[in-house]
Amino acid sequence: EDKVVQSPLSLVVHEGDTVTLNCSYEVTNFRSLLWYKQEKKAPTFLFMLTSSGIEKKSGRLSSILDKKELSSILNITATQTGDSAIYLCAVDEETSGSRLTFGEGTQLTVNP
Amino acid sequence: SQTIHQWPATLVQPVGSPLSLECTVEGTSNPNLYWYRQAAGRGLQLLFYSVGIGQISSEVPQNLSASRPQDRQFILSSKKLLLSDSGFYLCAWSVRWGRGYQHFGDGTRLSIL
Repeated sequence: EDKVVQSPLSLVVHEGDTVTLNCSYEVTNFRSLLWYKQEKKAPTFLFMLTSSGIEKKSGRLSSILDKKELSSILNITATQTGDSAIYLCAVDEETSGSRLTFGEGTQLTVNP
Repeated sequence: SQTIHQWPATLVQPVGSPLSLECTVEGTSNPNLYWYRQAAGRGLQLLFYSVGIGQISSEVPQNLSASRPQDRQFILSSKKLLLSDSGFYLCAWSVRWGRGYQHFGDGTRLSIL
């Protein structure tokens, strides 16, 4: 059965800290790995990773994929209270429906 | 630009009552459509997905069903709700071909009493 595992499940840090969120996967026909941020309602897209070793960056957020280790990390530097959210990792498979398998998410709380 | 609409935003229903949640997409054609359920503070469980009108794939056995009567309309239904159907329901769409990521609606928070 396909599986996506995120760690830690929850994390509490202070503003200014740097955090690393982990995602590992076991899927049959890997196509890409995606990260989403969910605050209250709709998850919003952060990154899509398809190739190993290529870092994607957006401001203070960055992510990288390791296809040999079947994993990805999401880094957030100089955290702010607005980074508080659930961070979801998902894996896309080579099927016509672009079905995503999601992990359980990491609940990040950034305290002032 | 493309938009996705879900309604209602919140719903409180008694056990045994029927359910109909609607999702529509604008600004795109032939999208893939998805229904997810999310337990409090946790990941998303895929319930149904559709690659075209009348084509529905179910991911988990449950008390719910889905229909796609039009290209950009996706409906989640139940004839008789159970307590375990409570949760946050999200609709999403993606482009039919290629490596498009999924775009999510704002969700419906369903409480069963």
